[in-house]
Amino acid sequence: RKEVEQDPGPFNVPEGATVAFNCTYSNSASQSFFWYRQDCRKEPKLLMSVYSSGNEDGRFTAQLNRASQYISLLIRDSKLSDSATYLCVVSLIQGAQKLVFGQGTRLTINP
Amino acid sequence: ETGVTQTPRHLVMGMTNKKSLKCEQHLGHNAMYWYKQSAKKPLELMFVYNFKEQTENNSVPSRFSPECPNSSHLFLHLHTLQPEDSALYLCASSQWTARYNEQFFGPGTRLTVL
Repeated sequence: RKEVEQDPGPFNVPEGATVAFNCTYSNSASQSFFWYRQDCRKEPKLLMSVYSSGNEDGRFTAQLNRASQYISLLIRDSKLSDSATYLCVVSLIQGAQKLVFGQGTRLTINP
Repeated sequence: ETGVTQTPRHLVMGMTNKKSLKCEQHLGHNAMYWYKQSAKKPLELMFVYNFKEQTENNSVPSRFSPECPNSSHLFLHLHTLQPEDSALYLCASSQWTARYNEQFFGPGTRLTVL
């Protein structure tokens, strides 16, 4: 079983739609959770950390379900510029340097 | 100057060649990393350096040899590579603390081994 599993997509949605991604992780001892974004042929960049209570940053909402070992990312009112690959990232220890990346979910927003 | 720079951006080499990848961070960070990103596979951590000392080697073959002369520079020396080593090699840096570790990535070197 993969340590971090994501639906690779691709997801094709119209501009303005709401889109949700899920990610599951295998190690129940995982402590830190993140979503990174990687544009085509570019480097990954941190989108947001994911906290146990859930957190929101503008149009983006991240949630964590420790019991089911899954993380979600919700994008509301999607923009063309949201087109990218979204990487789910987990680490065993808070602040740990060994990050485990999912394969990524590719999202294309259509005009 | 952008935060994390990598050179070269593209590299084609034969299996018998020796080449080096260079990474430089301008963020004053204390940790640097090498990652490998192959097509249709997740990013894989290769090496971690803290304050110039290697603290993680994620079972990387010896044909990859990292070097960290100071906290701002990181090299990956390549020798006798295989075609399956073709990938995007990403460098990252972070200001590591016990609670937080946002890693900033460079643009990567796209390596092709013939």
